[in-house]
Amino acid sequence: EVQLVESGGALVEPGRSLRLSCAASGFTFDDFAMHWVRQAPGKGLEWVSAITSNSGSVDYADSVKGRFTISRDNAKNSLYLQMNSLRAEDTALYFCARDLDLDVWGQGTTVIVSS
Amino acid sequence: QLVLTQSPSASASLGASVKLTCTLSSGHNNYAIAWHQQLPEKGPRYLMKVNSDGSHNKGDGIPDRFSGSSSGAERYLTISSLQSEDEADYYCQTWGTAIHVVFGGGTKLTVL
Repeated sequence: EVQLVESGGALVEPGRSLRLSCAASGFTFDDFAMHWVRQAPGKGLEWVSAITSNSGSVDYADSVKGRFTISRDNAKNSLYLQMNSLRAEDTALYFCARDLDLDVWGQGTTVIVSS
Repeated sequence: QLVLTQSPSASASLGASVKLTCTLSSGHNNYAIAWHQQLPEKGPRYLMKVNSDGSHNKGDGIPDRFSGSSSGAERYLTISSLQSEDEADYYCQTWGTAIHVVFGGGTKLTVL
């Protein structure tokens, strides 16, 4: 079964850091680009970041550029999102998704930024 | 600037058909889009990719009741024989440069 499972969400204070993980299974992970997408409470989907299959290219939304870093470990079938200098507006459910078409999604992990 | 515009809400009766619209910003008429469904309290689910010529490629297991089409800058998702489980938020999505992705604001579909 093709599956993505996010983890690492937590309640953190503004200005702190957090690292999210996405574990992939059921497909050849290193064949696919991967994305992070977030959804603030009661809001729509917001694309956050993407990385190509060989990590050769990455891209970020303007709202997180310079603060978040996407990476992957193909040997571990895992995708990561390092989030630094967190702000209240980063509070959201964070999803990982597969491929340029975002054709497989995880169930999300919750990040709450609050003092 | 690449922007996708969706109506915030739509409604239709059980068993009827509904056509949701996603409009591409000026100058982007030839862009393909994808449709995603998000059931309440669930992660999104990929439905299909819709090309500018109206052709579409559905994801695995997506029922025949779901179809896509295009006209100019508009991309459509049509759901026929509406069922209660189709009540969800529907998002369109496209691609900017390389791997950059843009989402529409989403349409909340209510099945009456």
